[in-house]
Amino acid sequence: AQSVTQPDIHITVSEGASLELRCNYSYGATPYLFWYVQSPGQGLQLLLKYFSGDTLVQGIKGFEAEFKRSQSSFNLRKPSVHWSDAAEYFCAVGETSARQLTFGSGTQLTVLP
Amino acid sequence: GAVVSQHPSRVICKSGTSVKIECRSLDFQATTMFWYRQFPKQSLMLMATSNEGSKATYEQGVEKDKFLINHASLTLSTLTVTSAHPEDSSFYICSARDGPDGYTFGSGTRLTVV
Repeated sequence: AQSVTQPDIHITVSEGASLELRCNYSYGATPYLFWYVQSPGQGLQLLLKYFSGDTLVQGIKGFEAEFKRSQSSFNLRKPSVHWSDAAEYFCAVGETSARQLTFGSGTQLTVLP
Repeated sequence: GAVVSQHPSRVICKSGTSVKIECRSLDFQATTMFWYRQFPKQSLMLMATSNEGSKATYEQGVEKDKFLINHASLTLSTLTVTSAHPEDSSFYICSARDGPDGYTFGSGTRLTVV
């Protein structure tokens, strides 16, 4: 069965600093990988996704993620964090068939002024 | 882009009553929709997979008689929480496949049972 681990429950960074959110997955084949962001009381917004091809994926809002098969990781990065980036971030893995996503436990990001 | 509309966004109901939550795909057809439940400060847990024209597939531990799912058309899936109790209070989110490689999520419904 597939699984997703987000080791960091809560991360605090200063505005303008760089950010990296960790995500490790367990899946037998090449996974579909996603990063979503959720503001309080809201649904999920897709930041980026990886299916195949270039392992460095660019997303919205200046985010990027790199798929590393050898490390089973798909870490999310942003070079300079803005106060509006404060939210909950979820990594998810999907099967190649039309099935549901499996989510990590999420990482709460706090941005200090 | 693909949009999934979920209503209501918030609902408060009395214990013992039923509540219906709607999930609509606005600009695409969704043969499969997914219903998730999220407890405070926790991740999303899949409850069931809703299939147009057929019975929903429930995850282990989810009471199908309590959480009724209907997917009568290619653009609408509904989740009815029957005989709601305070422990059913949660954030419910639906999603739909909007293509071979995409999932679009609704904005969620905050259910409070008093």
